[in-house]
Amino acid sequence: ETGVTQTPRHLVMGMTNKKSLKCEQHLGHNAMYWYKQSAKKPLELMFVYNFKEQTENNSVPSRFSPECPNSSHLFLHLHTLQPEDSALYLCASSRAGREDTQYFGPGTRLTVL
Amino acid sequence: AQTVTQSQPEMSVQEAETVTLSCTYDTSESDYYLFWYKQPPSRQMILVIRQEAYKQQNATENRFSVNFQKAAKSFSLKISDSQLGDAAMYFCAYRRLQGGSEKLVFGKGTKLTVNP
Repeated sequence: ETGVTQTPRHLVMGMTNKKSLKCEQHLGHNAMYWYKQSAKKPLELMFVYNFKEQTENNSVPSRFSPECPNSSHLFLHLHTLQPEDSALYLCASSRAGREDTQYFGPGTRLTVL
Repeated sequence: AQTVTQSQPEMSVQEAETVTLSCTYDTSESDYYLFWYKQPPSRQMILVIRQEAYKQQNATENRFSVNFQKAAKSFSLKISDSQLGDAAMYFCAYRRLQGGSEKLVFGKGTKLTVNP
């Protein structure tokens, strides 16, 4: 595997379910990000992790819970979501520093029923 | 707060022709980066080109080039010799550096259609 991978690619869940999104980067980066992409809206940054430490929480509701066990893996745990949380969730990684660029995974298309 | 504006929700171009996508941004900072990302129907966000604000020379990557006007806070993308594979959503993004993390602020995107 190369680049940034995300699983699953599609997820349908009920409002009472608990599920997790997974992101893995194979680029040797040390910063990872979760973004939310909704229709007709710009991408919204949700969380940032640098060297496994969360450095940004962009006022995200607590029903979204990130986890970064190491620099290569990032999870987004979901529970009691709302239909308006349906969106494309994108993971990205970068080398954390002034010069580097974020590289994105293919995203997970989430539908909350 | 920084904002990025893409005023063209949709654009179309004939294959082999040239098209320019517009982007303006608002910031009070003097040092930052600007990016164009492409998102085809496969949804993978792909970096097209990036520009460092301190560089006066416009970035170029093969058929893609930018017109960076720092004073006007304008960052347009020119695609030359358009190909069918260029059809995608194009997002302009601004990156600031705050507290050691890189924050990307995106525009709403421009949907580019390439007609054969």
